[in-house]
Amino acid sequence: SQQGEEDPQALSIQEGENATMNCSYKTSINNLQWYRQNSGRGLVHLILIRSNEREKHSGRLRVTLDTSKKSSSLLITASRAADTASYFCATGDQTGANNLFFGTGTRLTVIP
Amino acid sequence: DTAVSQTPKYLVTQMGNDKSIKCEQNLGHDTMYWYKQDSKKFLKIMFSYNNKELIINETVPNRFSPKSPDKAHLNLHINSLELGDSAVYFCASSQANRGGYGYTFGSGTRLTVV
Repeated sequence: SQQGEEDPQALSIQEGENATMNCSYKTSINNLQWYRQNSGRGLVHLILIRSNEREKHSGRLRVTLDTSKKSSSLLITASRAADTASYFCATGDQTGANNLFFGTGTRLTVIP
Repeated sequence: DTAVSQTPKYLVTQMGNDKSIKCEQNLGHDTMYWYKQDSKKFLKIMFSYNNKELIINETVPNRFSPKSPDKAHLNLHINSLELGDSAVYFCASSQANRGGYGYTFGSGTRLTVV
């Protein structure tokens, strides 16, 4: 299965702290993406990192990718209450459709 | 607004019925997808489709079928609904031929089979 796994399953931090979520996957990938899902809503694309990249930044987000270990991490710096959501990593396969296979998600709670 | 829109947002129906969920994207994307999210928030790809190829996840029962009248629409038909089909179904689109771009998701359809 190409499904990834996130760690931890749940994370609770104080506002202003950094949050780190990890993702492991099993197969060769074309790219890895991170998504946010607020309760009762659809998923929102946050950031994409390609298999030949090691690190990428977007605002308060930093993503790393280690293809030798088949793992990725998402760091959210200076967290805000509005960051409370579930975060999913997803790996893109190498077909023309770029099918995404999602991990199990990390539920992040940022306490004001 | 540019978006992926799916209807209905909520669908409650009895076992054995046939139902459809509609999805439209006005982003000009070349590929559309259907995902199922279960009660544990686990997301599973069901189908991906562009004007050249339909890829079906082999674990999806053949009671589920995608129908694409044009490249902006990918509807999901479900026959003989079962209790286990209760879930949230998400439609998404992307510009896959550019080698991996983020998906844009619809807001989901919560299907409840009673």
